Amino acid sequence: DSGVTQTPKHLITATGQRVTLRCSPRSGDLSVYWYQQSLDQGLQFLIQYYNGEERAKGNILERFSAQQFPDLHSELNLSSLELGDSALYFCASSVGTDASPLHFGNGTRLTVT
Amino acid sequence: AQSVTQLDSQVPVFEEAPVELRCNYSSSVSVYLFWYVQYPNQGLQLLLKYLSGSTLVKGINGFEAEFNKSQTSFHLRKPSVHISDTAEYFCAVSEGGSQGNLIFGKGTKLSVKP
Repeated sequence: DSGVTQTPKHLITATGQRVTLRCSPRSGDLSVYWYQQSLDQGLQFLIQYYNGEERAKGNILERFSAQQFPDLHSELNLSSLELGDSALYFCASSVGTDASPLHFGNGTRLTVT
Repeated sequence: AQSVTQLDSQVPVFEEAPVELRCNYSSSVSVYLFWYVQYPNQGLQLLLKYLSGSTLVKGINGFEAEFNKSQTSFHLRKPSVHISDTAEYFCAVSEGGSQGNLIFGKGTKLSVKP
């Protein structure tokens, strides 16, 4: 058990809809990362937050947004969903410095129909 | 731009046989290198990492990897695999001193047969 909790485990929704994925990092971790795993693109880094502030951005679409709250949990918001957004979305956390490794949650599987 | 190539998408091997999973990367600067393992229906777990120092890195579950700068490779090895090693293995690279913003390879599915 990595200590990173993601909810929900599964999400099925229709095109055009909006969903929110939630992540609770390991106790004491200040950084949260979001990754997308899809069959065609593989694992892609989306975005990182550190202690409530955006630290780095990867291949995140404009339809997607994220935030980290004062209690350090994070939410990833996906809007105007398309079939191609179907994927496994992982949250990972770390202590926060660049020298600390990532601990991954078990992911949220999003299916867009 | 950085990239990671895992040369084999699937590797079948018999139990107790040795295995090597290949990984090559491209980067113009010094990098950190990682191997992660993903068991079915689970998240990724760090196997080992190279940050600096000795080029031979030992990880969990008996795995090791060797960093070869001249060949830009970071192959993963285990001398004797178990059924429980069946999983997908991902090589990843980061630069700029970060262990978090990783570029992953496409993954190699290791299938250990009895």
